[in-house]
Amino acid sequence: GNSVTQMEGPVTLSEEAFLTINCTYTATGYPSLFWYVQYPGEGLQLLLKATKADDKGSNKGFEATYRKETTSFHLEKGSVQVSDSAVYFCALSKLGRRALTFGSGTRLQVQP
Amino acid sequence: GAGVSQTPSNKVTEKGKYVELRCDPISGHTALYWYRQSLGQGPEFLIYFQGTGAADDSGLPNDRFFAVRPEGSVSTLKIQRTERGDSAVYLCASSLEVAGGSYEQYFGPGTRLTVT
Repeated sequence: GNSVTQMEGPVTLSEEAFLTINCTYTATGYPSLFWYVQYPGEGLQLLLKATKADDKGSNKGFEATYRKETTSFHLEKGSVQVSDSAVYFCALSKLGRRALTFGSGTRLQVQP
Repeated sequence: GAGVSQTPSNKVTEKGKYVELRCDPISGHTALYWYRQSLGQGPEFLIYFQGTGAADDSGLPNDRFFAVRPEGSVSTLKIQRTERGDSAVYLCASSLEVAGGSYEQYFGPGTRLTVT
């Protein structure tokens, strides 16, 4: 079946540090890949997505590249801010299906 | 505009009782989803509606769980004979299904269900 594996948190960084949150997936075919973010007290929000191999999704300074050869979709940001503190979820959807399969989430804490 | 809303925000019930959780999607969104999120885990898909019909109910864990969307807007998730293992945050999402569109799912704040 489909599954998503994320690095365990919490990830604690100082402001302006470089961020990487690892995500790998298992799926048949060519899924679409997503990163969702959940800020404290708020609902899940789509951060970025990629729908085919080598696509790069980007938003708010975050980037992730769909790597089919390594079945990965790692989230990166060059310089994190305190306001980026949140829980980040990697997810996939199989071609032709709307259902999302999520990883277990990674909590990011950015200290000033 | 208004986002996805869910009521109640919190629900405490006793084991064996029946509960209903309500979701109001974004106006005009034709698709509606239910997910369940246990503590420390990511959301787990339960069911997807396209209009009034369940297009994919493969995530419903057993026949104690049932969901309806009779007019293609508001949806109710119904859980019979609740068990302590049903305790979780139940999330609803909606999306606008337009050919060539992004089908982005917009999530509500969730209903926290606690079964004692």
